[in-house]
Amino acid sequence: DGGITQSPKYLFRKEGQNVTLSCEQNLNHDAMYWYRQDPGQGLRLIYYSQIVNDFQKGDIAEGYSVSREKKESFPLTVTSAQKNPTAFYLCASSIVNGETQYFGPGTRLLVL
Amino acid sequence: DAKTTQPTSMDCAEGRAANLPCNHSTISGNEYVYWYRQIHSQGPQYIIHGLKNNETNEMASLIITEDRKSSTLILPHATLRDTAVYYCIVRVASRGKLIFGQGTELSVKP
Repeated sequence: DGGITQSPKYLFRKEGQNVTLSCEQNLNHDAMYWYRQDPGQGLRLIYYSQIVNDFQKGDIAEGYSVSREKKESFPLTVTSAQKNPTAFYLCASSIVNGETQYFGPGTRLLVL
Repeated sequence: DAKTTQPTSMDCAEGRAANLPCNHSTISGNEYVYWYRQIHSQGPQYIIHGLKNNETNEMASLIITEDRKSSTLILPHATLRDTAVYYCIVRVASRGKLIFGQGTELSVKP
């Protein structure tokens, strides 16, 4: 089955803690994206990567970091600098940047 | 990217066609119309996209007016599982970012 997987489905973060959200795809897509969705809101772009070992900041990158060491994987770290991390996090991928994006099931991050 | 306007909510009877409108009066010649939907607490699902011509796939049909200032997504035989928020997005093909507005909350009722 080809697709995008995100784990975990729910994640709890304590104050001052860094947490990492996983995103894996087996679609052989070059481009990958991270979005954040707050209740009743649209999606906002955090980071995107057009190719392995390359990534760019989106609209709300502060307090987040990413890496793209493998084509299949694009993990997102929510650092302690992100003061309001509670949200629904969505990963997407596309064949190349600008083409149709396909989304994973999402990770809901909650702060304890 | 052009801004889109969609009704906040719509109802549709199960088995009937659902017609979801979208206005994008400031669309540029190189901007595509994309439709996604999001079922509660799930990731958005791609439905269909088009530039000028009407498009059809196994999920839906997309009708774009000749002046490209508006479009309609048609779900031919709506089921309860089609209840979701439907987003109309206009963007240049080369741009990575998708801009999701508020969308239309479609409720399919028995």
